[in-house]
Amino acid sequence: EPEVTQTPSHQVTQMGQEVILRCVPISNHLYFYWYRQILGQKVEFLVSFYNNEISEKSEIFDDQFSVERPDGSNFTLKIRSTKLEDSAMYFCASSALYGYTFGSGTRLTVV
Amino acid sequence: AQSVTQLDSQVPVFEEAPVELRCNYSSSVSVYLFWYVQYPNQGLQLLLKYLSGSTLVKSINGFEAEFNKSQTSFHLRKPSVHISDTAEYFCAVSETKRGSTLGRLYFGRGTQLTVWP
Repeated sequence: EPEVTQTPSHQVTQMGQEVILRCVPISNHLYFYWYRQILGQKVEFLVSFYNNEISEKSEIFDDQFSVERPDGSNFTLKIRSTKLEDSAMYFCASSALYGYTFGSGTRLTVV
Repeated sequence: AQSVTQLDSQVPVFEEAPVELRCNYSSSVSVYLFWYVQYPNQGLQLLLKYLSGSTLVKSINGFEAEFNKSQTSFHLRKPSVHISDTAEYFCAVSETKRGSTLGRLYFGRGTQLTVWP
């Protein structure tokens, strides 16, 4: 069964550093998403991406965040200057018709 | 905006007992409804979904959920649980949209189901 692949599975970074989280969506999916889950809290929507542009973003997705589909297969989330409160599990997802497929997540720890 | 309430943060139950995980939502528009399961150190896996049609939907591993529009609920049930069902379960809703797109998902806080031998 097709999968959404996320790398790395764990990342530790120092506060203020830039991080890039990578995702390979399912190949025939056209819609891509990032969600995050802070430990003990709800899974929260960050951003959706379609046709090489952001289609929707949440209030969490401020100027520190950006997304890109650099080469037609990868979908990346960049955090420019990480803060302690960015520590969370980040999930990538892609969708076709009426169904999301999530990746296994990247656990980001900011120290 | 939609919101999702999962009333129970933890549900302990013995093996082979029935279980119900509750989910209520609020929305001013029509919604699609989902249950996701998260096993330890894994991602979110779709368990079942309601898009339209029959209000009772079933998964391949014995779970079922019923959409109740009047009560704005989508409770998840299983008549007899196994130890392997131990996981976190998330209810989610998405606004219905025309065409093939799905709107953003709004998740509940999750319910940790623990099945004891």
